Amino acid sequence: AQSVAQPEDQVNVAEGNPLTVKCTYSVSGNPYLFWYVQYPNRGLQFLLKYITGDNLVKGSYGFEAEFNKSQTSFHLKKPSALVSDSALYFCAVRRSGGYNKLIFGAGTRLAVHP
Amino acid sequence: EAGVAQSPRYKIIEKRQSVAFWCNPISGHATLYWYQQILGQGPKLLIQFQNNGVVDDSQLPKDRFSAERLKGVDSTLKIQPAKLEDSAVYLCASSAGTDLLQETQYFGPGTRLLVL
Repeated sequence: AQSVAQPEDQVNVAEGNPLTVKCTYSVSGNPYLFWYVQYPNRGLQFLLKYITGDNLVKGSYGFEAEFNKSQTSFHLKKPSALVSDSALYFCAVRRSGGYNKLIFGAGTRLAVHP
Repeated sequence: EAGVAQSPRYKIIEKRQSVAFWCNPISGHATLYWYQQILGQGPKLLIQFQNNGVVDDSQLPKDRFSAERLKGVDSTLKIQPAKLEDSAVYLCASSAGTDLLQETQYFGPGTRLLVL
């Protein structure tokens, strides 16, 4: 069975510092990995995805994520955090084949302090 | 391009009552999804439609939940009767298809349900 783990409930970062939000996955076959962000009282917004190719994926709002097959990880990163990046971040995995079913992690709350 | 629309945004009902949610996907999107997001958890897929057919409803509590997408465009999700544990945000999403190149799901703002 496929699963996603986000080991940190909350990440605190000072504005201007780099940020990392961690995600590990378990899936049979090739993994397809996604990051979404959720702002208060709003739906999920797509940030980026890894399907194949370069292990470093660039997405919206300056975010990027690094796929590491040996560590089964897909950590979200940003070189310089903004206060406006404060939100809830979800990692999700889809297995190859199937009907595009996404399995989401429990989410990590990112708090960027001025 | 208009996003995924959902209504109502908020709903408060008493247990054993019924409730319905509506979703209009992005124009031209063939695939529509309903997710349940309980506080503190990630979204969980309830049902997935490809056009007007169901392709995955394995996690839909079919004794109380039902969903339809009769004309392959908008969709309704119904709960009857509601239980306290149904309190959650119900998210609708759509995607252009199920091909790898088209598989980004776009989400609506959600309907927050509180069952008292």
